[in-house]
Amino acid sequence: TQLLEQSPQFLSIQEGENLTVYCNSSSVFSSLQWYRQEPGEGPVLLVTVVTGGEVKKLKRLTFQFGDARKDSSLHITAAQPGDTGLYLCAGHSGGSNYKLTFGKGTLLTVNP
Amino acid sequence: DADVTQTPRNRITKTGKRIMLECSQTKGHDRMYWYRQDPGLGLRLIYYSFDVKDINKGEISDGYSVSRQAQAKFSLSLESAIPNQTALYFCATSDSYTEAFFGQGTRLTVV
Repeated sequence: TQLLEQSPQFLSIQEGENLTVYCNSSSVFSSLQWYRQEPGEGPVLLVTVVTGGEVKKLKRLTFQFGDARKDSSLHITAAQPGDTGLYLCAGHSGGSNYKLTFGKGTLLTVNP
Repeated sequence: DADVTQTPRNRITKTGKRIMLECSQTKGHDRMYWYRQDPGLGLRLIYYSFDVKDINKGEISDGYSVSRQAQAKFSLSLESAIPNQTALYFCATSDSYTEAFFGQGTRLTVV
């Protein structure tokens, strides 16, 4: 079973601060996705990274896929209260049987 | 209307009762999934289906069964509910490795 370890599990910061969330595995993934989930809602895709070393930016969010495709990070610059939520990474191991393995998530709270 | 619709949104049931959670999608995707979410444990895969004739067990299928009635419909059943099945349940669909679309979830409480 492929496992994805996310850290930290909880993060509480002040508005305007920067933060980084990590997603690590001992397994190689063909692609990795980051989702954000708000209370009472299902997860919503933020980004998919496919190539080792790939960096994608989404406004104040920067996503990086490790060179060996075993890890990823999410960096948020100048966090805002609207960034509050559960951030989940999910890996796809490849092949035609599309099945995602999820990490346990990082619960981010951005205080005004 | 939501692309992935789950019913009911909330349900309280008694131990030993049979309950069915339903999921329908308008995305036209072949692949459908049922996940369970517990605090601190993330999303765990219960069952998944790649087409109407293809049903597969996930990592925590014991105590659950599923039915794929049509491409757009995938239901999850708890044959005899027990308290440790209290959780938030999500249905999801996908057509490739690029994205999974989730429903809004069903909060199930077994008392």
